Amino acid sequence: NAGVTQTPKFRVLKTGQSMTLLCAQDMNHEYMYWYRQDPGMGLRLIHYSVGEGTTAKGEVPDGYNVSRLKKQNFLLGLESAAPSQTSVYFCASRPRLPTRPHQETQYFGPGTRLLVL
Amino acid sequence: DAKTTQPNSMESNEEEPVHLPCNHSTISGTDYIHWYRQLPSQGPEYVIHGLTSNVNNRMASLAIAEDRKSSTLILHRATLRDAAVYYCILRDVLTGNQFYFGTGTSLTVIP
Repeated sequence: NAGVTQTPKFRVLKTGQSMTLLCAQDMNHEYMYWYRQDPGMGLRLIHYSVGEGTTAKGEVPDGYNVSRLKKQNFLLGLESAAPSQTSVYFCASRPRLPTRPHQETQYFGPGTRLLVL
Repeated sequence: DAKTTQPNSMESNEEEPVHLPCNHSTISGTDYIHWYRQLPSQGPEYVIHGLTSNVNNRMASLAIAEDRKSSTLILHRATLRDAAVYYCILRDVLTGNQFYFGTGTSLTVIP
């Protein structure tokens, strides 16, 4: 299993450009998450999904959109990039275990470094 | 989700035990205590979790206070590979779809 993979690994954008970050997981997990991490900071949740076709806002959703058309993929879109969106973006997934909810740990991808000039 | 408080940084000598504290005074009865760590330039990884009793696994031990208002992650023999940021997270198993990471404790291991 590849686990959680993210594409691309690194990207440079100009202000106003758009792009889509792809997250893929091969563990058949129900939940998927997008976080951003700014230098010296912890992770902040942008959006998450509890299943195919459903998404929800996290702590810092403004300026981002997401889609979960397939269970294994979670896309993060920036419609008009701003320098404030320069960050490292992490995707994560976790299973839904109704009989063992405390075992629902998250599995993270390697991150995408985004620089907006 | 209840908030956690951790020291910003700690140091340890290699091959000595490390005790990483976490305060969570507003913890609820259905909050599980999770610990993740983030090695440099990597995504976070799961370390350990528990509810009331102390827990051990191959990576670490988790000691939970009797009143559950604090916990301690114990690395029994720190190695250079343990240098990372350690996050203490509370998650309500009944309602907690989200994990709140905070800023964590940056552990430096001195050779």
